[in-house]
Amino acid sequence: DAGVTQSPTHLIKTRGQQVTLRCSPKSGHDTVSWYQQALGQGPQFIFQYYEEEERQRGNFPDRFSGHQFPNYSSELNVNALLLGDSALYLCASSLDTGKGEQYFGPGTRLTVT
Amino acid sequence: DAKTTQPTSMDCAEGRAANLPCNHSTISGNEYVYWYRQIHSQGPQYIIHGLKNNETNEMASLIITEDRKSSTLILPHATLRDTAVYYCIATPHSGGGADGLTFGKGTHLIIQP
Repeated sequence: DAGVTQSPTHLIKTRGQQVTLRCSPKSGHDTVSWYQQALGQGPQFIFQYYEEEERQRGNFPDRFSGHQFPNYSSELNVNALLLGDSALYLCASSLDTGKGEQYFGPGTRLTVT
Repeated sequence: DAKTTQPTSMDCAEGRAANLPCNHSTISGNEYVYWYRQIHSQGPQYIIHGLKNNETNEMASLIITEDRKSSTLILPHATLRDTAVYYCIATPHSGGGADGLTFGKGTHLIIQP
């Protein structure tokens, strides 16, 4: 049973560019959440997708957007990259009818230069 | 989500029980207490959660005080692989699903050989 997978593992972008990160949820899971983790900090909630709609959103600007596909996989898009967007981006999947636990992927390390 | 307070760091000898405290004095009646841990360079890992009763699984035990204002995560026989940052999170469920999580800075648990 494959867990949560994310791609790419690492990414280097230039300030002002756009980036797309990808996530495949754990088999059977229908909900995907995205988090940003800066160095030395705990993960910060960006948004959550369920039934291809954004269901919840944290305190992040509109430059951060996402999508969920019919197979439950998800993308995180960040436009107009800033140096401060450099972080580990984590995807977590869960089951809407489950007990609430989320399963995290290994993350994508984004560096903005 | 209710604010949680945890010690910044703790040490524990290998083979002994590790007891990690968490204060959540403003927790609401519908908020669950979740524990996750994050081993260096990996995504967070779900450990256990509870509402008001003590809980035990193959990884740990969770003791919640009767007034629900604090809890303790117990790792019964700590090993070197338990060295990680442990996060205590108080969050409600939404219709059984998992809400976006609010992570603090957690407790850095170091298991000493």
